[in-house]
Amino acid sequence: DTGVSQDPRHKITKRGQNVTFRCDPISEHNRLYWYRQTLGQGPEFLTYFQNEAQLEKSRLLSDRFSAERPKGSFSTLEIQRTEQGDSAMYLCASSLRQGGSGANVLTFGAGSRLTVL
Amino acid sequence: AQKVTQAQTEISVVEKEDVTLDCVYETRDTTYYLFWYKQPPSGELVFLIRRNSFDEQNEISGRYSWNFQKSTSSFNFTITASQVVDSAVYFCALRMNRDDKIIFGKGTRLHILP
Repeated sequence: DTGVSQDPRHKITKRGQNVTFRCDPISEHNRLYWYRQTLGQGPEFLTYFQNEAQLEKSRLLSDRFSAERPKGSFSTLEIQRTEQGDSAMYLCASSLRQGGSGANVLTFGAGSRLTVL
Repeated sequence: AQKVTQAQTEISVVEKEDVTLDCVYETRDTTYYLFWYKQPPSGELVFLIRRNSFDEQNEISGRYSWNFQKSTSSFNFTITASQVVDSAVYFCALRMNRDDKIIFGKGTRLHILP
């Protein structure tokens, strides 16, 4: 178990370009979350998957953002036509959702830092 | 609405002092979960503790302790005999039982000075 991996760790792009981030969760985890964190703020929820199904999307996730988890394993987060306001750390987390109640603990990756020039 | 407030933006203490990080939450749900995470300079959020709304027992783990009080909607975190390695940003977070996402506060940046 190598934890949650995110790639790339850093991305610098010009405004208007598309970027894609990848997240590899802990292998036995069935839930995968994307959060965004800007400087001096806490992580803000973007979206999450249970297996390959995208179950919830935040209002923060504009039409330029799309996330996929095609085989219920790794996930990608794509931002099209990037804007300077998209500059942030994009965090991925995974958890194991089991039957019944109980809040699953999220295990976070190190994040992908995006800078839009 | 659900909300987590960490009023202390930044705290500095000298090593070996005790320090308490405050967390106040808002929710109308009766079943919910509270968390603390640590974010060291490396950036990766590290889970510290989870507490459900029906368990008001305080918890101690080494130099860390947590005080959960439903009457004041607070879940405070105390570090005893602080060390330089405790320097980080600490986040308090909330999840409702009917929801699947965690809501984070804005964090408290803790500086432990040698």
